Amino acid sequence: AQTVTQSQPEMSVQEAETVTLSCTYDTSESDYYLFWYKQPPSRQMILVIRQEAYKQQNATENRFSVNFQKAAKSFSLKISDSQLGDAAMYFCAYRSAVVVAGNTPLVFGKGTRLSVIA
Amino acid sequence: DAGVIQSPRHEVTEMGQEVTLRCKPISGHNSLFWYRQTMMRGLELLIYFNNNVPIDDSGMPEDRFSAKMPNASFSTLKIQPSEPRDSAVYFCASTLGVRASPLHFGNGTRLTVT
Repeated sequence: AQTVTQSQPEMSVQEAETVTLSCTYDTSESDYYLFWYKQPPSRQMILVIRQEAYKQQNATENRFSVNFQKAAKSFSLKISDSQLGDAAMYFCAYRSAVVVAGNTPLVFGKGTRLSVIA
Repeated sequence: DAGVIQSPRHEVTEMGQEVTLRCKPISGHNSLFWYRQTMMRGLELLIYFNNNVPIDDSGMPEDRFSAKMPNASFSTLKIQPSEPRDSAVYFCASTLGVRASPLHFGNGTRLTVT
């Protein structure tokens, strides 16, 4: 079974600075998808960014970008120009592309709580 | 689109009572997932459906838990009888059957069993 590890339970960053959240995963598959979700205090789960394993180019969404290292099974999230609204729990998630009976579920890491200091 | 709709948003019940959580997925989505979130265990998959058919219920903790999806627009998660250790936030999520499509989550139901 696949596993996702987020080794940083908590992180903090000064407003306007850059922070990187770490994520590693374990899989024997070659085709899969990776995601970062944000969960603010409202508890809503919000998609931040996604990456397809067969794409070598790192995904970018405005101030959010990833460093995808397939051989190392690493998928870190970089937040640039941090804003107060970025404070939240961030979850890394893995999804297999092996289709047995339709879609496959997400496997989540335990999360990293990000604080933004004004 | 209204997104994934879950009800109720909060549920407080006494041990031994039956609890039913409800979910309406995004129209057109063909897969539905139920997750449970606790501080200790994080986000755990309970069960998921493809085209209204349960595919994997190995995450359902006990026989006290059951889930149904009678049609493409509605699913329920039932706990009978409820216990204090069932207290958690329960999320429903749905997705399309296309490559790399993300899961879209509802706002969750916070269940407290006293």
